[in-house]
Amino acid sequence: DSGVTQTPKHLITATGQRVTLRCSPRSGDLSVYWYQQSLDQGLQFLIQYYNGEERAKGNILERFSAQQFPDLHSELNLSSLELGDSALYFCASSEGTGGGSVYEQYFGPGTRLTVT
Amino acid sequence: KNQVEQSPQSLIILEGKNCTLQCNYTVSPFSNLRWYKQDTGRGPVSLTIMTFSENTKSNGRYTATLDADTKQSSLHITASQLSDSASYICVVSQTGANNLFFGTGTRLTVIP
Repeated sequence: DSGVTQTPKHLITATGQRVTLRCSPRSGDLSVYWYQQSLDQGLQFLIQYYNGEERAKGNILERFSAQQFPDLHSELNLSSLELGDSALYFCASSEGTGGGSVYEQYFGPGTRLTVT
Repeated sequence: KNQVEQSPQSLIILEGKNCTLQCNYTVSPFSNLRWYKQDTGRGPVSLTIMTFSENTKSNGRYTATLDADTKQSSLHITASQLSDSASYICVVSQTGANNLFFGTGTRLTVIP
């Protein structure tokens, strides 16, 4: 158990809908990262927050947005969903920030999103 | 262009045998390189993190090497076990930046 929690574990929704994925980082971790992993694809970095502020942006679509709240939990909002958005969405947390640092990233169990 | 390439894409080995996975990168300026193990449907788990000055790092039966001059890394698994069946992902970080660059992984299957 990494100490990172994600809810829900599974989510099934229809095209055009909007969903919110939630992540609670490990106690003491200030950074939260979001990743997307489509079937048989590698991990794609979406976005990172550190202590409530956006720190890095990867391949995140404009239909997707995220935020980190004062209690450090984070939410990833996916809107106007398309079939291609079906994927595993992982959240990870780390103590510090900066890809250039050697802070360990701890991954949550993921949320499996199925868009029908 | 910053890229991370892993080989082979997939690998099948007999239980008890050793194997080596490769990672080549073009990420610059380089900060650190990580190897993760990801079981199917689960989150990745870190195996090793190496900075520029480190050539080798071990974690049990896993040994990672780094050649920063040739921009290559390898992950050697000794005396493989069935539980080693997973995807192994190489991730490279840039100095001073927040972006991480992921390889597509090597899918390892250990058979009895």
